Amino acid sequence: AQSVAQPEDQVNVAEGNPLTVKCTYSVSGNPYLFWYVQYPNRGLQFLLKYITGDNLVKGSYGFEAEFNKSQTSFHLKKPSALVSDSALYFCAVYNQAGTALIFGKGTTLSVSS
Amino acid sequence: SAVISQKPSRDICQRGTSLTIQCQVDSQVTMMFWYRQQPGQSLTLIATANQGSEATYESGFVIDKFPISRPNLTFSTLTVSNMSPEDSSIYLCSVETGPLNEQFFGPGTRLTVL
Repeated sequence: AQSVAQPEDQVNVAEGNPLTVKCTYSVSGNPYLFWYVQYPNRGLQFLLKYITGDNLVKGSYGFEAEFNKSQTSFHLKKPSALVSDSALYFCAVYNQAGTALIFGKGTTLSVSS
Repeated sequence: SAVISQKPSRDICQRGTSLTIQCQVDSQVTMMFWYRQQPGQSLTLIATANQGSEATYESGFVIDKFPISRPNLTFSTLTVSNMSPEDSSIYLCSVETGPLNEQFFGPGTRLTVL
């Protein structure tokens, strides 16, 4: 069965520092991986996805993610964090039918000024 | 992208009653999804709703508890029936659309059951 794991409940980083939010996956077949962000009292927003091709995927708001097949990871990164990046981040993978998303439990990112 | 609206945005309901949540999309989409996000938890898929066919429910969710309608390509409803406090969650509608088949989410309906 398809699944993703986010090992950290919370990540704290100072503004201007690089940030990483971790995600590992377990899939049958090719992984279709996603990152979403949820700001307080707002809906989920799509950040980026990996289907195939370049292992480094660039997304919205300056975020990128690196697909690593050998480590079965898809970590979200940003070179310089902003206070406004503070939010709840979800990693997700398509279900086996390729129709709906299976989400990780989420990681709260807190960026301090 | 798709613009998705949900009604109501929030509600407080009594145990044993039912609530119908509406999801409206600004473009025609084949696949619509309903998710639940319980307090402090991740999102869990309830069902997939395709126009013209019965909704497909995930394990742990049944039609009697969460009946879904999909009358056309821009609209769907989810009913939470015979509610209990355990149904207190955010319910989100989602659609798959666009050249990259991205999934877009509505703002959610925050339900509190007393």
